[in-house]
Amino acid sequence: QKEVEQNSGPLSVPEGAIASLNCTYSDRGSQSFFWYRQYSGKSPELIMSIYSNGDKEDGRFTAQLNKASQYVSLLIRDSQPSDSATYLCAVLERADGLTFGKGTHLIIQP
Amino acid sequence: EAGVTQFPSHSVIEKGQTVTLRCDPISGHDNLYWYRRVMGKEIKFLLHFVKESKQDESGMPNNRFLAERTGGTYSTLKVQPAELEDSGVYFCASSQVPQGAATQYFGPGTRLTVL
Repeated sequence: QKEVEQNSGPLSVPEGAIASLNCTYSDRGSQSFFWYRQYSGKSPELIMSIYSNGDKEDGRFTAQLNKASQYVSLLIRDSQPSDSATYLCAVLERADGLTFGKGTHLIIQP
Repeated sequence: EAGVTQFPSHSVIEKGQTVTLRCDPISGHDNLYWYRRVMGKEIKFLLHFVKESKQDESGMPNNRFLAERTGGTYSTLKVQPAELEDSGVYFCASSQVPQGAATQYFGPGTRLTVL
């Protein structure tokens, strides 16, 4: 059974610092990797996707993928209070449904 | 451009009753997905439509769940009869092309409570 593991947190980070979120996955056949942000009571919103080993940067966000070690991470630089949310890691093996982790609750302290 | 919409936003029913959830994908999106989040658990994939065809329904819990997408536009998910363990948030998502090449956009979800 495919699994995606995340530390549920809460992860508390001071404003302006770097927030580091981690995720491991069990299925070596996974091809695509995603980070979604979900505010309480709202729908998941895609913030990063990554498909190959290495780093991918988009503004304050950097996704990192290491397929050999089966982990994905998300770095948020210059963390803002508005970044406080639950971050969901999701992986895809084929062109069907995503497999999600339970999410990490991130709190940015002003 | 309107996003993915879902109706109702909340539904409270009694065990044994029937409930139908509706999802309207983003216009032009052929791919439609249903997911469910049970309290304390992760979001789980239920099924995937391409237009009106079911591509993968491996995540459907059992035969009390029936999803349809007549005409390839909106989709409905019927639970009949509902059980207590069906309570949770049901999300719908859509994308233009199959996942892996495009973003899945999620709707706000329907919170289902079975008493």
